[in-house]
Amino acid sequence: KNEVEQSPQNLTAQEGEFITINCSYSVGISALHWLQQHPGGGIVSLFMLSSGKKKHGRLIATINIQEKHSSLHITASHPRDSAVYICAALNYGGATNKLIFGTGTLLAVQP
Amino acid sequence: EPEVTQTPSHQVTQMGQEVILRCVPISNHLYFYWYRQILGQKVEFLVSFYNNEISEKSEIFDDQFSVERPDGSNFTLKIRSTKLEDSAMYFCASSDHQGVSYNEQFFGPGTRLTVL
Repeated sequence: KNEVEQSPQNLTAQEGEFITINCSYSVGISALHWLQQHPGGGIVSLFMLSSGKKKHGRLIATINIQEKHSSLHITASHPRDSAVYICAALNYGGATNKLIFGTGTLLAVQP
Repeated sequence: EPEVTQTPSHQVTQMGQEVILRCVPISNHLYFYWYRQILGQKVEFLVSFYNNEISEKSEIFDDQFSVERPDGSNFTLKIRSTKLEDSAMYFCASSDHQGVSYNEQFFGPGTRLTVL
């Protein structure tokens, strides 16, 4: 069983739609990263959060520590938002804070 | 804005050859990481490094792998004798465990390693 699960795996939306990507984790964490990966492979950190909610532009991330669940929302989606979105749990169980990655959600926003 | 850089962007090598992947972390960061992503799969943790020694390593990080911080700015991953299954994208990351970016890991653009 994966320690970090994401849903959906694939998502197609029309431009302007509100998008939600979900992440559930089973490990103890100190924080959760949301990351974006474009074709060609580079990874960009969008958010790191350990409680509550963060907002950056049209992106909103929330986390519920008790339920071990986080969501990434994109408002007014645009074709340039098309990418793979990955949640990664920052695991405090070891000597350092390694990231445990989900499998990613492939988002395609159509004009 | 400070960023993590990696070289080369693409490395092609023959099976059995040694490769060295290079990373320059963000200058005031103290914690360094290597991750890899096999095509079509999720990103996996390889190793973390702090204070000139390995802090933690995964099962993937066997005796064929080594890491080094040779000169205070570079952070390298060496694969001694590459195998076909080492073909992947390798990401370096660094983090600073204090201040505004506490614990947040910043990623380099990756090196795509192809083993023939």
